[in-house]
Amino acid sequence: AQKVTQAQTEISVVEKEDVTLDCVYETRDTTYYLFWYKQPPSGELVFLIRRNSFDEQNEISGRYSWNFQKSTSSFNFTITASQVVDSAVYFCAPPSPYSGAGSYQLTFGKGTKLSVIP
Amino acid sequence: DAGITQSPRHKVTETGTPVTLRCHQTENHRYMYWYRQDPGHGLRLIHYSYGVKDTDKGEVSDGYSVSRSKTEDFLLTLESATSSQTSVYFCAIKKTGADYEQYFGPGTRLTVT
Repeated sequence: AQKVTQAQTEISVVEKEDVTLDCVYETRDTTYYLFWYKQPPSGELVFLIRRNSFDEQNEISGRYSWNFQKSTSSFNFTITASQVVDSAVYFCAPPSPYSGAGSYQLTFGKGTKLSVIP
Repeated sequence: DAGITQSPRHKVTETGTPVTLRCHQTENHRYMYWYRQDPGHGLRLIHYSYGVKDTDKGEVSDGYSVSRSKTEDFLLTLESATSSQTSVYFCAIKKTGADYEQYFGPGTRLTVT
């Protein structure tokens, strides 16, 4: 079964600190996707990034960066110079098969709640 | 913005009454999904649709039915609401050509008393 572990249930940081959210996954598939989503206090679910298993380049988008390590089955998310607006629950979604068939359904766990304190 | 709206956004209903939630998209994507989100359970798939009149069950489909008579609308019906169906319901779409990522509507908070 495909599974993801976000060991950090809640994290608090002071504004402008860097913070890394950990995600460790398990899969038997050789090719797969991984996702990060954000859910701010307002409640909407916001897509942040998709990572293909065959592309191990790290990605940076503004203050956000993602470190994908296939060898350790990790897909960690770092926010640099955190801001109060980054306060949210962040979900790492488990691997979805790359086959292109099926329901394409996503499964979210409990996520990591990040609080950025001014 | 994937052009997804949900209605109603909030609803309080009594046990045993039927409830229908509507998801509307403006971009004619083929795949649409209904999820529920509950504390301690994360996000769980209820039903999904892969085209007009084409639907299938997800992980927690008992007590729910869906219909999709037009590409843009995906309806979720609770035939006889129960307190265990108190939840936040999210509709999502998978954009045509996009690989797996889904875009979510704003959610509907349903309370069954």
